[in-house]
Amino acid sequence: EVQLVESGGGLVQPGGSLRLSCAASGFTFSSYWMYWVRQAPGKGLVWVSRINSDGSSTGYADSVKGRFTISRDNAKNTLFLQMNSLRAEDTAVYYCARAPKKNCTSTSCYMDVWGTGTTVTVSS
Amino acid sequence: EIVLTQSPGTLSLSPGETATLSCRASQSVSSSYLAWYQQKPGQAPRLLIYGASTRASGIPDRFSGGGSGTDFTLTISRLEPEDSAVYYCQQYGSTPTTFGQGTRLEIK
Repeated sequence: EVQLVESGGGLVQPGGSLRLSCAASGFTFSSYWMYWVRQAPGKGLVWVSRINSDGSSTGYADSVKGRFTISRDNAKNTLFLQMNSLRAEDTAVYYCARAPKKNCTSTSCYMDVWGTGTTVTVSS
Repeated sequence: EIVLTQSPGTLSLSPGETATLSCRASQSVSSSYLAWYQQKPGQAPRLLIYGASTRASGIPDRFSGGGSGTDFTLTISRLEPEDSAVYYCQQYGSTPTTFGQGTRLEIK
């Protein structure tokens, strides 16, 4: 079964850091782009970051650029999101998602498999 | 960045009816790189449609997508109670990829 399972969320003070993980199983992780998408309470979906299949190319939303870093360990089938200098507006459920790459542009794609999400709360 | 505006905000229909959801882009979406997702409360989004009109694996043919350029639609025919959800469109024709604000579909 194709599955993505996020972990690492929690309560953190403004200015703090968290590292999210996303464990992939049931598919060849190293063949796919991966995304992080977040959803603030009661709000819609917002793209956060993406990484290509070998980790050599990344992209970030302007709102997180310079604060968040996406990475992956293909040997361990795991995606990461290092989040620094966290702000209250980063409070959200964070989803990792798989992008199939075909029928997409060189830098953007749709997402065909989503994890269940991990909740990040930034508050003092 | 391309702004996607979905309408209506909320749609309330009865079982068996047909729902038509709209997604309008602020600029043309290249090559119809538009997807639709369904999200039920407390759940992750589920891919329904990509490439504006291609159903994802396992999605029933009651769900259909159409449109091009700046105007896209998701049509759900023969509504069932389990179709109650929020539906989002996403454009991936240009960076950054963006999502619409969602349409809430209620089945009476």
